[in-house]
Amino acid sequence: DADVTQTPRNRITKTGKRIMLECSQTKGHDRMYWYRQDPGLGLRLIYYSFDVKDINKGEISDGYSVSRQAQAKFSLSLESAIPNQTALYFCATRRGSGISSTDTQYFGPGTRLTVL
Amino acid sequence: GENVEQHPSTLSVQEGDSAVIKCTYSDSASNYFPWYKQELGKGPQLIIDIRSNVGEKKDQRIAVTLNKTAKHFSLHITETQPEDSAVYFCAASQRSNDYKLSFGAGTTVTVRA
Repeated sequence: DADVTQTPRNRITKTGKRIMLECSQTKGHDRMYWYRQDPGLGLRLIYYSFDVKDINKGEISDGYSVSRQAQAKFSLSLESAIPNQTALYFCATRRGSGISSTDTQYFGPGTRLTVL
Repeated sequence: GENVEQHPSTLSVQEGDSAVIKCTYSDSASNYFPWYKQELGKGPQLIIDIRSNVGEKKDQRIAVTLNKTAKHFSLHITETQPEDSAVYFCAASQRSNDYKLSFGAGTTVTVRA
């Protein structure tokens, strides 16, 4: 979905480095999510945010942190990257409140992260 | 938590034939079941979804069926075309946890010309 952008699209880094992945959306949605995709495992939820002041851990949050800088921006950080964090990372958004709320999540194009 | 299993993991079909992907879920409280298509180098895109108050939904060549008693749902693609080649994910969620999605492992569909 072009309304959800992720930067960078590809990143190669070394073990121990700090990495930040950024997500921006122009959909005006309140909910934002970070997922990790590994072959054969589908997508797994890392963190999610209801709004700027409400951030929650997902099923695999260890080793990750997030920041919701504004309603439109949600960043994922790896404080000290390790090789098993090599994966595809996706951001998603959803309108979760108000009369136009839906249950549909819209995904960004993803960031391919390689940790050497 | 919710556990979603998806089968098969890979599926190769002749162009024009049908493709069926099956998913099972564990939490009987789940009430929203979307299907996503992921093309190479792109993020997942919603193609169809179904809610627990409906047994079947169709949109042109794709359809989804839901059996709440057996806790399984399926995606059917008819008259497959080369552009249907992609990875397909099923997911389950429920209103009580704000529709957080639990995904299946994915099915790689290849349509042979």
